[in-house]
Amino acid sequence: QQQVKQSPQSLIVQKGGISIINCAYENTAFDYFPWYQQFPGKGPALLIAIRPDVSEKKEGRFTISFNKSAKQFSLHIMDSQPGDSATYFCAASIYQGGSEKLVFGKGTKLTVNP
Amino acid sequence: NAGVTQTPKFQVLKTGQSMTLQCAQDMNHEYMSWYRQDPGMGLRLIHYSVGAGITDQGEVPNGYNVSRSTTEDFPLRLLSAAPSQTSVYFCASSSLAGYNEQFFGPGTRLTVL
Repeated sequence: QQQVKQSPQSLIVQKGGISIINCAYENTAFDYFPWYQQFPGKGPALLIAIRPDVSEKKEGRFTISFNKSAKQFSLHIMDSQPGDSATYFCAASIYQGGSEKLVFGKGTKLTVNP
Repeated sequence: NAGVTQTPKFQVLKTGQSMTLQCAQDMNHEYMSWYRQDPGMGLRLIHYSVGAGITDQGEVPNGYNVSRSTTEDFPLRLLSAAPSQTSVYFCASSSLAGYNEQFFGPGTRLTVL
């Protein structure tokens, strides 16, 4: 019940294109949905996040779309650039044992070709 | 601020050896955690702590021990390393207030032969 399912596993996009990564969850107790970006050899870093009372959040070229009834959320990267090539993890946060805990999807490796 | 630091960056162990992965943060965060990252598996929570003297198990705790004697440090101990513990280990920290951004360290790549 605490799984977060992420797709696709890998994605290749041409420069200037739109990258779309999808995630789905089952547990309605999740209350915060962040996306993390990880470059090779580095730790993940928060990219953008959304709470379930909002259907969309945009920060520059990055947008999260959230569908509470379908229990799905997605990351859209507009005008994708080679520098966006990284692994992206969706996550969902749940309050347990005195703290918010993150459950991660399995990741999407994005390659943006020049 | 150095943020979250981890040492060593790389380590090779033989089966049965023990070692400690070090993690420190200088952001005065109450919450600290350890994850392991394996290909196609995402990040899985090993152990976490909500403050000095308080630790608890995550999703994959077997074979690992932790302790938290100070706010800053959260070491991860492998008592008897096994090849299944070959992975990249990340330490993270965050504030307990609200929806907390977790700050990750640079990781330790561990190989157990």
